Amino acid sequence: KQEVTQIPAALSVPEGENLVLNCSFTDSAIYNLQWFRQDPGKGLTSLLLIQSSQREQTSGRLNASLDKSSGRSTLYIAASQPGDSATYLCAVRPNNFGNEKLTFGTGTRLTIIP
Amino acid sequence: NAGVTQTPKFRVLKTGQSMTLLCAQDMNHEYMYWYRQDPGMGLRLIHYSVGEGTTAKGEVPDGYNVSRLKKQNFLLGLESAAPSQTSVYFCASSPEGRTNEQFFGPGTRLTVL
Repeated sequence: KQEVTQIPAALSVPEGENLVLNCSFTDSAIYNLQWFRQDPGKGLTSLLLIQSSQREQTSGRLNASLDKSSGRSTLYIAASQPGDSATYLCAVRPNNFGNEKLTFGTGTRLTIIP
Repeated sequence: NAGVTQTPKFRVLKTGQSMTLLCAQDMNHEYMYWYRQDPGMGLRLIHYSVGEGTTAKGEVPDGYNVSRLKKQNFLLGLESAAPSQTSVYFCASSPEGRTNEQFFGPGTRLTVL
């Protein structure tokens, strides 16, 4: 059974710092991995999607990497801003065709201190 | 485009009551999903649909039913609500299941007393 872990559960950093969020998964047979942010009381917003054949994806100040063989992904946020404060979730899709079940981590709650 | 919308935003039910949650998307997506989010457990897939007229079970389908009569709508029903179904419910859609990202609605907070 796939398990997705995000450590730490919470993180506080001063504004302007670069930071890395971690996501690890137990079964390397994944099709892709998606990073989301969730603001309090809101739905999930997709940030980046990395296919299993890719090593990284970039969008603005965000860069996500994937090391499938070691079961790890990182989300790098450059020059953090107070608006980046949110919970960040990663989710993996299994490799077997027809299996639509995304497995989510429980998230890292990020606070950027002004 | 409104994206993915959910109705209602909040609801309180008594044990044994029934209700239907509505999800609508205006992006012409083929795939739609229902998840529940509980503290410490992450999001779990309840049911999903790969196209109009289709439904399939996810990870935690018991106690729920779904219907996809129109491509843009995906309904989640609780026939006899139980306190264990207290949760935040999210709907999502995707152009096609495997390659594409999923887009989420704002959620419905359901409390069953």
